[in-house]
Amino acid sequence: DVVMTQSPLSLPVTLGQPASISCRSSQSLVYSDGNTYLNWFQQRPGQSPRRLIYKVSNRDSGVPDRFSGSGSGTDFTLKISRVEAEDVGVYYCMQGTHWPPRFGPGTKVDIK
Amino acid sequence: EVQLVESGGGLVQPGGSLRLSCAASGFTFSSYAMSWVRQAPGKGLEWVSAISGSGGSTYYADSVKGRFTISRDNSKNTLYLQMNSLRAEDTAVYYCAKDAAAGTRDYFDYWGQGTLVTVSS
Repeated sequence: DVVMTQSPLSLPVTLGQPASISCRSSQSLVYSDGNTYLNWFQQRPGQSPRRLIYKVSNRDSGVPDRFSGSGSGTDFTLKISRVEAEDVGVYYCMQGTHWPPRFGPGTKVDIK
Repeated sequence: EVQLVESGGGLVQPGGSLRLSCAASGFTFSSYAMSWVRQAPGKGLEWVSAISGSGGSTYYADSVKGRFTISRDNSKNTLYLQMNSLRAEDTAVYYCAKDAAAGTRDYFDYWGQGTLVTVSS
């Protein structure tokens, strides 16, 4: 199975400042159809997960443009351009290229 | 608007059984594969099981294979998870999640609110 790792696991941030989370996979996530199925999810405290980014860099409907995804192959990044209070929570990367789907361990984002 | 509403969670003794349901609305249910994803208290997300849109294909994590059965009733727009031989390590919030696009590896664009399963004597 593909192993997903994230760093850091804890990320204290200052409001209005940028934040960045790294995600790495143990195998390339390029699928046979040419797409790379790497998603990012946000889970606010007490809430269900919400998908933010799909196929590396595509924002889901309603996701603020301060969130962006990038990367290729095995290395991926989620960036928040200016952190807001509502961004507090845990962020998970997830790969869908290889069966079964696998999530990273999560990165907890909170305010300094 | 897509809505997924889980129910059926509760407290069950080790070795017991429980059936979870997920009522779907706001999309053509039979056109999309569906999954169950769980989250143990204070832990991360773990994919548990998936079923194709027709119900003809099912998939399971090794941790639940042989104990859990996923099914769906497309006439009722409802997804199920029958959980047997429950263990303490099955304690978790169980979410149902919808595939984003049929026939691709694009998963989990919508999630339910979750239902808590507690396995304890």
